[in-house]
Amino acid sequence: NAGVTQTPKFRVLKTGQSMTLLCAQDMNHEYMYWYRQDPGMGLRLIHYSVGEGTTAKGEVPDGYNVSRLKKQNFLLGLESAAPSQTSVYFCASSYSGTFAEQFFGPGTRLTVL
Amino acid sequence: AQSVTQPDIHITVSEGASLELRCNYSYGATPYLFWYVQSPGQGLQLLLKYFSGDTLVQGIKGFEAEFKRSQSSFNLRKPSVHWSDAAEYFCAVGDFLLNQAGTALIFGKGTTLSVSS
Repeated sequence: NAGVTQTPKFRVLKTGQSMTLLCAQDMNHEYMYWYRQDPGMGLRLIHYSVGEGTTAKGEVPDGYNVSRLKKQNFLLGLESAAPSQTSVYFCASSYSGTFAEQFFGPGTRLTVL
Repeated sequence: AQSVTQPDIHITVSEGASLELRCNYSYGATPYLFWYVQSPGQGLQLLLKYFSGDTLVQGIKGFEAEFKRSQSSFNLRKPSVHWSDAAEYFCAVGDFLLNQAGTALIFGKGTTLSVSS
């Protein structure tokens, strides 16, 4: 039981490049989330999904897209990376949406030059 | 708007001393409150949560937190700190997502705990 895993762990991009971050969970959770963590800012919700095939915007969705084609996977895409997207990205999942505990992955550290 | 404030950015405590990390929230309804811990280079781990009932909540690793509605606070405490407790601590409030399709966490900015020997 690996919990929530994220790929890759580190990545450096140049401005304008694209990439996809992969989140996988093996707990059969319905809900999945993408957060970004910036120094002194705590974590902020980017996008979330309440089930396979669904996605919705969170607090800071601009510049990101997501997909949830399979229940266990939640992908975060950056179509044209900008330096402002330099951050640590965390994926989380929960069994239900009603204040259930969210389980977090180890994070992806992304630097955009 | 819902928000969480952690007034202390950085706290240093001697090993064996007691600890209290402060958290204040702003939420229109009954809050659902959480404390998470993040060790360096790691993801977040849930320490404890408050939904209802007893206002003193016990968590893992010897932590506890007390919900005080009158003060809009949910402070985290530990009677005796160990060096391994050095980490960043986040308070969060659960907030309903659009159309109440679920909940997301609104995090405070975190408090970094250093433990001195």
